Amino acid sequence: EAGVAQSPRYKIIEKRQSVAFWCNPISGHATLYWYQQILGQGPKLLIQFQNNGVVDDSQLPKDRFSAERLKGVDSTLKIQPAKLEDSAVYLCASSVRDRRETQYFGPGTRLLVL
Amino acid sequence: GESVGLHLPTLSVQEGDNSIINCAYSNSASDYFIWYKQESGKGPQFIIDIRSNMDKRQGQRVTVLLNKTVKHLSLQIAATQPGDSAVYFCAERMNSGYSTLTFGKGTMLLVSP
Repeated sequence: EAGVAQSPRYKIIEKRQSVAFWCNPISGHATLYWYQQILGQGPKLLIQFQNNGVVDDSQLPKDRFSAERLKGVDSTLKIQPAKLEDSAVYLCASSVRDRRETQYFGPGTRLLVL
Repeated sequence: GESVGLHLPTLSVQEGDNSIINCAYSNSASDYFIWYKQESGKGPQFIIDIRSNMDKRQGQRVTVLLNKTVKHLSLQIAATQPGDSAVYFCAERMNSGYSTLTFGKGTMLLVSP
């Protein structure tokens, strides 16, 4: 079974620029999550989709971050404009809506904002 | 969760030893707990989970213990191997219809040959 795919793996941009990350979840997984992981910390949920609908975006800085999952499969996360403190690893995860709700993570995109 | 910045708690063990990694969780309403392993440059990898109606669960070389009285979770790794070296995170899920996980502080496990 293929895992969660993310691209790009690394990105370096200057502050105030825009950046977008892409995620393809495990086939058949209805729920998709975007997390931000700052160096030395655990992942922090940014947004959660159930199919193509948002179920939790309470931690998403909506003035600069946006995400979509238009067809209920792939998802993109965008930052516009980026700030220095956005430097982090952006992780995508997916889960089947079953009783155990195990989340499977992709390798992440490492973002450095200069 | 509380930030530990770059200075993660670290557990150093010798190959073959048993390792115990501890985690304090925050919400007594949490009903599901997971341990993840994260190797450098990779995303977190599921290890083992436990529901709040259990106090112990065993997997291959790993055991998770849950003490709801003191809101404490531990991960025991038997016969630790160099490949177990990684950062380990516990995560809790609130009792809700959509599985929102809250991750705790990580612990770095270093296994010496």
